[in-house]
Amino acid sequence: DAKTTQPPSMDCAEGRAANLPCNHSTISGNEYVYWYRQIHSQGPQYIIHGLKNNETNEMASLIITEDRKSSTLILPHATLRDTAVYYCIVRVIGTYKYIFGTGTRLKVLA
Amino acid sequence: NAGVTQTPKFQVLKTGQSMTLQCAQDMNHEYMSWYRQDPGMGLRLIHYSVGAGITDQGEVPNGYNVSRSTTEDFPLRLLSAAPSQTSVYFCASSRSSQGASRETQYFGPGTRLLVL
Repeated sequence: DAKTTQPPSMDCAEGRAANLPCNHSTISGNEYVYWYRQIHSQGPQYIIHGLKNNETNEMASLIITEDRKSSTLILPHATLRDTAVYYCIVRVIGTYKYIFGTGTRLKVLA
Repeated sequence: NAGVTQTPKFQVLKTGQSMTLQCAQDMNHEYMSWYRQDPGMGLRLIHYSVGAGITDQGEVPNGYNVSRSTTEDFPLRLLSAAPSQTSVYFCASSRSSQGASRETQYFGPGTRLLVL
C-alpha cells in the first residue's frame, strides 16, 4: 500500500471551508483514496473515498489531482463538531488492510 | 441497528492475566477486524476475518487470538497480558472485502485496556 503524508495539525475558523491535504506520490493505479476521521477517542468514522474522479457526499468533497499523487478533503462549512483527527488512507480493494498513519489534527476555532 | 458494539468499555488487568474483548455487529457484515491504537498513533491491524470460520493475521498479531464462529461476533483474546498491550482496541466491520464502497468500515466505540 502506498504511504501517505499529511500535515500534523491545522486550524480552521468556524463556518469557513477546511481544506486538508494528503500526499500519496507513490500511489498505484488500482489504489483508492479513503478518508476517515476520529473525534476525540471515539472509533474512526468513514467520510468519503475515490479513485480518480472528484467525489462529493453529504459530509465532504474529495479532490484528487490528475496525476493522483495528492488529494484534498474539503469540509465546506466547518463546525466545532468537525474538530477531529483526519486520516488519509490509500489501499487496494480486496487486500483487507487499512494502514492508518498519524493523520491531521484539525481544530475548528469559534 | 446498534452497529458495532464492544464490551467492556474499560478494563484493568495484571500482567499474565487473560481476557476476552467482545465485539458484535448486527449489520450482517462479512468482514470484521481488530485494531489497536497506542497514544498519539494511528490504528494498527491485529487480526481480521472475511467470514464465519475464516480468520487471518494483521500487522501486530502476537499475543492475541481470534475466532469467528458466527457472522455477528468476533472476540479478541489476550492470552497472557503484558504492559505492552496497554492500548485502546477498536473492532470494525464492513459489508465485504470486494468493492470500494462495500469495504468502508464501521468502527465500534473502543475498549480501553490497562495492563499493570
